[in-house]
Amino acid sequence: DTGVSQNPRHKITKRGQNVTFRCDPISEHNRLYWYRQTLGQGPEFLTYFQNEAQLEKSRLLSDRFSAERPKGSFSTLEIQRTEQGDSAMYLCASRNPADGTNEKLFFGSGTQLSVL
Amino acid sequence: GENVEQHPSTLSVQEGDSAVIKCTYSDSASNYFPWYKQELGKGPQLIIDIRSNVGEKKDQRIAVTLNKTAKHFSLHITETQPEDSAVYFCAASKGPLVMRFGAGTRLTVKP
Repeated sequence: DTGVSQNPRHKITKRGQNVTFRCDPISEHNRLYWYRQTLGQGPEFLTYFQNEAQLEKSRLLSDRFSAERPKGSFSTLEIQRTEQGDSAMYLCASRNPADGTNEKLFFGSGTQLSVL
Repeated sequence: GENVEQHPSTLSVQEGDSAVIKCTYSDSASNYFPWYKQELGKGPQLIIDIRSNVGEKKDQRIAVTLNKTAKHFSLHITETQPEDSAVYFCAASKGPLVMRFGAGTRLTVKP
């Protein structure tokens, strides 16, 4: 499978715990995006990377959230001291501005987080 | 920043009828407008897109139209089938910059 891969698919945690999600983008894509989606809403932008550099962060990304892409390949999104309001689907997407279809954004299946 | 509004939020049609979903955007510099289909438990899947230098694009039963002056674009699905039932999202971006999404339309196609 050469699509965007996310793990785990589902995560249930207790309030106050830390969680980490992983995203493996399409191999030749140098831009990687994290979005959050709550029930009945469209994806909301959180942050994005070009290679290993984090170029933009949304105001939605509180200090409890941190994302990394250390080698410009896979990325991790960590949420510290989870709150019930963090419950959502966390989506990863990638694109490759270097090719002729540079705007197309491809999504993974997401990680569904439930904070109890 | 860019703001994308989408309507209706829900749409129910009979199988074989057409469905139309409309979106407006706020940033006149936006030049790329994709549409995504999302099924339960899955990530959004790109189904069609259009760039601002084109007014209409068609792919089999789906088509997208763009009115740059009015800053709105629409998705048209003809001869709808039950498998078209899903949530559809419009989006807008300035080239490869951050993409902003509408709130989605839940389409139900009744057999």
